[in-house]
Amino acid sequence: NAGVIQTPRHKVTGKGQEATLWCEPISGHSAVFWYRQTIVQGLEFLTYFRNQAPIDDSGMPKERFSAQMPNQSHSTLKIQSTQPQDSAVYLCASRYDWGYYAEQFFGPGTRLTVL
Amino acid sequence: AQSVTQPDARVTVSEGASLQLRCKYSYSGTPYLFWYVQYPRQGLQLLLKYYSGDPVVQGVNGFEAEFIKSNSSFHLRKASVHWSDSAVYFCAVNYGSSGNKLIFGIGTLLSVKP
Repeated sequence: NAGVIQTPRHKVTGKGQEATLWCEPISGHSAVFWYRQTIVQGLEFLTYFRNQAPIDDSGMPKERFSAQMPNQSHSTLKIQSTQPQDSAVYLCASRYDWGYYAEQFFGPGTRLTVL
Repeated sequence: AQSVTQPDARVTVSEGASLQLRCKYSYSGTPYLFWYVQYPRQGLQLLLKYYSGDPVVQGVNGFEAEFIKSNSSFHLRKASVHWSDSAVYFCAVNYGSSGNKLIFGIGTLLSVKP
């Protein structure tokens, strides 16, 4: 079990460029979550998929951010026209089932730096 | 609004000393409570979790936490810390009605002096 895989581990973009972050959940896990981590705001929920379907995107900024899960083996978070305030560590997590008590397993994160 | 408060941004203790990291949540019902640890350049790892039953729950590596409903608290404890326990510790809640997302505290940076 390789755990949740996130690629790339580090990404540097220029202001206005696009960034795509990848997440491969643990095989057999039905739920995938995206979080953003910054020094100022801490850990913030972005969005959540269950069986590849988007369930809750209440934490996603309304503009420039989008997430997809085209198949059960990966999810992507895309940020268009990146801005310096998008600089953060983006964490992906997966969970085996739908229960509120179930553990979320986190990947190592992708550190995005927008210059 | 639902929230989690970790009042101590940084805690420094000597190796072998006991530890308590504080966590308080705001919610009138019974939440699902978690403590996660984050080591440098790594993702979060679950230490322990609680929903019901014995209010003192045991976790990995000698950690435990006590749920006190009257105080809306879920403090993390360890009897004797090791230098390898140095990390950031996050308290989190899942209120269920929030749709399964975790709401995290700001985290407490634990530094263990050798």
